[in-house]
Parts: sequence; C-alpha cells; structure tokens
Amino acid sequence: NAGVMQNPRHLVRRRGQEARLRCSPMKGHSHVYWYRQLPEEGLKFMVYLQKENIIDESGMPKERFSAEFPKEGPSILRIQQVVRGDSAAYFCASSPTQGGNTEAFFGQGTRLTVV
Amino acid sequence: GESVGLHLPTLSVQEGDNSIINCAYSNSASDYFIWYKQESGKGPQFIIDIRSNMDKRQGQRVTVLLNKTVKHLSLQIAATQPGDSAVYFCAENQADSSYKLIFGSGTRLLVRP
Repeated sequence: NAGVMQNPRHLVRRRGQEARLRCSPMKGHSHVYWYRQLPEEGLKFMVYLQKENIIDESGMPKERFSAEFPKEGPSILRIQQVVRGDSAAYFCASSPTQGGNTEAFFGQGTRLTVV
Repeated sequence: GESVGLHLPTLSVQEGDNSIINCAYSNSASDYFIWYKQESGKGPQFIIDIRSNMDKRQGQRVTVLLNKTVKHLSLQIAATQPGDSAVYFCAENQADSSYKLIFGSGTRLLVRP
C-alpha cells in the first residue's frame, strides 16, 4: 500500500518562474492537506481540499498560490512568479475522512529552492 | 504561538536512557493531539495520539501525557535508541476546524551512543 506520494522531491526555480508541486494521496483517501515548513520550524497549514473542492484555503497567501484536486489525478499546488521567500519544504497529507481524530499521513515533501 | 524561526531546542540523551519531550499547546478548545517524528529530509511520521478525554496513552516504548489544566503535552520515550534521533513535533487539532493541525515548533532529540 503506497503512502502519500509527492513529486518532485526537490525543485529549483529561478525568481519569477512557476512551481508546480504534485501530491497523490494514499489509496482510498479523498481528503488532501498542504502544509509549508520553513527551516527549523513546524509545519504551517495552507489548504484543505477534497476532490474538485477547496474546503479551506485560509493558510494560503492571497496572491500567486493556488491549489486544486481534480476528479482524476494528483492534487497540485501551484506557485506563480516565485520569490526567494517561497523557498521551503511543502508537505502534503491525506486522510480517508475529514481530519479531526483521524490520522493524516504525510508525504516526503517537495523541497523548493528559489534562486 | 507562531514560531519565529529560532533554533530548535535540543535534547541530548544517552542511548538506553528515557527521553521526555515537552510541548505547550495554545488552544483550550483543542481536543486531539498528535506527536510526530521527523527525520532529516523526510515528512512527519505519526508516533502516537491522544484525545482530550484522556490524560495518558501508551504505545510501544512511547507514552503521551496530557495535562489540560496547564495545556501541556509530553512524549516519553523509553530506552532511547540511536534511531530515535530526529525532530519531534506536537500538533493540536481544534474542534471548530478539525482538519487543521497546528504544529508546535519542535524539539531535536540527539541520542549519544
């Protein structure tokens, strides 16, 4: 049973480029969560999605960031016109039901470096 | 509160000793708590969880204690092994947004051989 799969594991982008991060949840999981982690810090919630729906994007920056979880295929976190401050590890988690007393399984993350 | 990017507190223990990692949580409405282990370059790995109607829960070599009065959570690791070296995070989950985990700032555990 494959875990949460994220790719790429490492991504380097120049300032102004676009970054696309992909997350395939565990089999049978329809709830996806994205978190961002800066060095030496805990993870910060960004967005919660179900298939074709954004449930809560309160942790997403208002500009340049977007997320989707289409009916078919992985969830995508898109960062447009990246800046140095976007450099971080981005983790995706999935669960079979909405969080809350349900263990969320995390992927290995995508480490974004903006140069 | 929000982490401001300070260096992680570090706990150094001798192999075979017991480790205690502490965490203070922020919201008295939180009703579910999780401890995660994060090794370098990897994602958080679930260790143990506890609900607010409990004050203690035991797993294999790990015990979580919850003190709701002072909003304090601890993780005890018995007979610490080199493979336990990692950063440990507590996370709380709030009843009004039960899907959103709020992570603490983490503690680095170093196990001396």
